[in-house]
Amino acid sequence: DQQVKQNSPSLSVQEGRISILNCDYTNSMFDYFLWYKKYPAEGPTFLISISSIKDKNEDGRFTVFLNKSAKHLSLHIVPSQPGDSAVYFCAANEFQGAQKLVFGQGTRLTINP
Amino acid sequence: NAGVTQTPKFQVLKTGQSMTLQCAQDMNHNSMYWYRQDPGMGLRLIYYSASEGTTDKGEVPNGYNVSRLNKREFSLRLESAAPSQTSVYFCASRGWSLDRAANYGYTFGSGTRLTVV
Repeated sequence: DQQVKQNSPSLSVQEGRISILNCDYTNSMFDYFLWYKKYPAEGPTFLISISSIKDKNEDGRFTVFLNKSAKHLSLHIVPSQPGDSAVYFCAANEFQGAQKLVFGQGTRLTINP
Repeated sequence: NAGVTQTPKFQVLKTGQSMTLQCAQDMNHNSMYWYRQDPGMGLRLIYYSASEGTTDKGEVPNGYNVSRLNKREFSLRLESAAPSQTSVYFCASRGWSLDRAANYGYTFGSGTRLTVV
């Protein structure tokens, strides 16, 4: 079963507009959530994170929102720029045991000029 | 540059052949991980090593073995490659720092694209 789900395989947004990427999870024991960005032929790179005790974290053009009751988080990018075109992975940290990240399937974001 | 280095970057194997994917990190991280990336499946954990001397299975360990050679190096071995193991393989590491957010994030290598024919 997929504990972290990104139900939109792709998203296309016009340059300058807001991009909203969504992620749902099922495990209540996740204590930290992260977003990674991946360009072709490169490894994923860390973008932004949020603790489970918070509901919002901002870093420049990027904001992550966490709704614990709905087990849902979203990444907002505003304004969107062509360089934001990439695959975005949502990830969650398992609090128990040897802590490791569980990743979603990824969403391919395309920013159109 | 500090980071995670994976070799080789590309490899084509015939079914039944064996090979080892190499990974090394120079950040003094304790934990290391092997993931595979497949279309529509995201990143799935194959094996991980929480600290030097320990290894554990992840979500998709069948057909793979690992060795944590020392603190820096964590290798992934395919003993008898199968077409289902065609994928992009990523090694990652994680350490502990005063930056709490950094304690949860991985540093990834650039990947090994493996094709099994």
